[in-house]
Amino acid sequence: EVQLVESGGGLVQPGGSLKLSCAVSGFTFSGSSMHWVRQASGKGLEWLGRIRSKPNNYATAYAESVIGRFTISRDDSKNTTYLHMNNLKTEDTAVYYCSSPGYSISGINDYWGQGTLVTVSS
Amino acid sequence: DIVMTQSPDSLAVSLGERATMNCKSSQSVFSVYSTENYLAWYRQRPGQPPEPLIYGASTRKSGVPDRFSGSGSGTDFTLTISRLQAEDVAVYYCQQYYTTPWTFGQGTKVEIK
Repeated sequence: EVQLVESGGGLVQPGGSLKLSCAVSGFTFSGSSMHWVRQASGKGLEWLGRIRSKPNNYATAYAESVIGRFTISRDDSKNTTYLHMNNLKTEDTAVYYCSSPGYSISGINDYWGQGTLVTVSS
Repeated sequence: DIVMTQSPDSLAVSLGERATMNCKSSQSVFSVYSTENYLAWYRQRPGQPPEPLIYGASTRKSGVPDRFSGSGSGTDFTLTISRLQAEDVAVYYCQQYYTTPWTFGQGTKVEIK
């Protein structure tokens, strides 16, 4: 069974930093790209970025809204990906999901975690 | 960035009836190399993460009921639910994965009339 489990969410002050983790089981993590998507309460989905696998040089790509503030990394030995968030703003308050195509040939994100809530407030 | 625009924002359909929603991209998401449209549809039920329904504009994911169908090419796409069931009450999102940043439409909310 495929599982993606996010952790690390919580309350942080504006300007602060937070690191989210996403632990993966059930597919070959090292061969899969990993994505982060967020959703503010009552709003739509916003793709934040992705990190590709080692054969693809761990290439990253980001949404314009988070460039320079958010960084995605991964530790293949721990089957975990991370979202490092700096200079947080109130508008970053959202549920943060990690997702992945896994071993699917579709190319889209077949697998999603349940999300972790980040609240940016003073 | 490719902008995805969905219509309508919401629709109410009777159980067993057809629901149709549209998605338009600001530029083509068709690849001449793969001859594939890089367009996906997701369903998000209340309180749940999104679940994939369709990829390549028209290919149903394994396990997705055949009442869901996708069509379109280039910049204009449609998701049809042929016979609405109660469990289809959700918000439906289209997403392009043709190029980064991947982008979602704003969603279409489907309710029971």
